[in-house]
Amino acid sequence: GDSVTQMEGPVTLSEEAFLTINCTYTATGYPSLFWYVQYPGEGLQLLLKATKADDKGSNKGFEATYRKETTSFHLEKGSVQVSDSAVYFCALSDRNNAGNMLTFGGGTRLMVKP
Amino acid sequence: DAGVIQSPRHEVTEMGQEVTLRCKPISGHNSLFWYRQTMMRGLELLIYFNNNVPIDDSGMPEDRFSAKMPNASFSTLKIQPSEPRDSAVYFCASVTGVSHGELFFGEGSRLTVL
Repeated sequence: GDSVTQMEGPVTLSEEAFLTINCTYTATGYPSLFWYVQYPGEGLQLLLKATKADDKGSNKGFEATYRKETTSFHLEKGSVQVSDSAVYFCALSDRNNAGNMLTFGGGTRLMVKP
Repeated sequence: DAGVIQSPRHEVTEMGQEVTLRCKPISGHNSLFWYRQTMMRGLELLIYFNNNVPIDDSGMPEDRFSAKMPNASFSTLKIQPSEPRDSAVYFCASVTGVSHGELFFGEGSRLTVL
C-alpha cells in the first residue's frame, strides 16, 4: 500500500536559518504529492503541491521538488521566521484512488526561535 | 466561502456520555473525511464519504464510533459511550471530486473525556 515517511521532529532552528524537512514515499500508482501545514490550534491547510515528476511546488518561500528517482518530496525554505513554527505534514494522493483519499506522514514539528 | 465548519470547538464530558460532533463541508464538495489527531498516534483517518455514501470506515476504532452523512451539507460523528482514551482533536475535511487531494480542513473539535 501507499505510505509516507517524514523525518521525526521536533526541528528547532534559529530565525533566518535554512530549513529542510525530509519526506519519502511509496506508492503503487502515480501520486500527487503535498505539504500541509498546521499552525497551533488550527486545522491543516495546503502549503504546496506537485502533480508529476520534476514538478516544483512553492508557496510562502517554501519549495519542494517531486523526485521520482528517489521517491522524495523534501520541503525547503531558505530563511525561516518565527511565524513558520508549526507542524508540517507530507502527503500523497494516488491517482488510482477515485476517492481523493490522502495518505499522510506522521508530521514534523518545527520550532523557530528568535 | 465560509470553509469547513465544525462544532463544537471544545467539548468536555464524562466517561459514558454520548458525544456528537458536527461538520458542514464546503458547498459543492462531494467527499468528506473525519480524522482524529492525538500526540501518541498522530493523524488518523476514521472514515470518508463520497456523495454522502460511506466508502471506507476501516479506521473507525470500534463500535462505539459511528458516522453519518444524511445530506451533502452535514455530517456527524458520534461516540457512545465515550471513554477517556477518546480524548483527541477531531477534524473534518472536504474536497471536490476534481481537486485531487487538496483537502480543506475545519478547525477541529477538541474532545476531553474525563
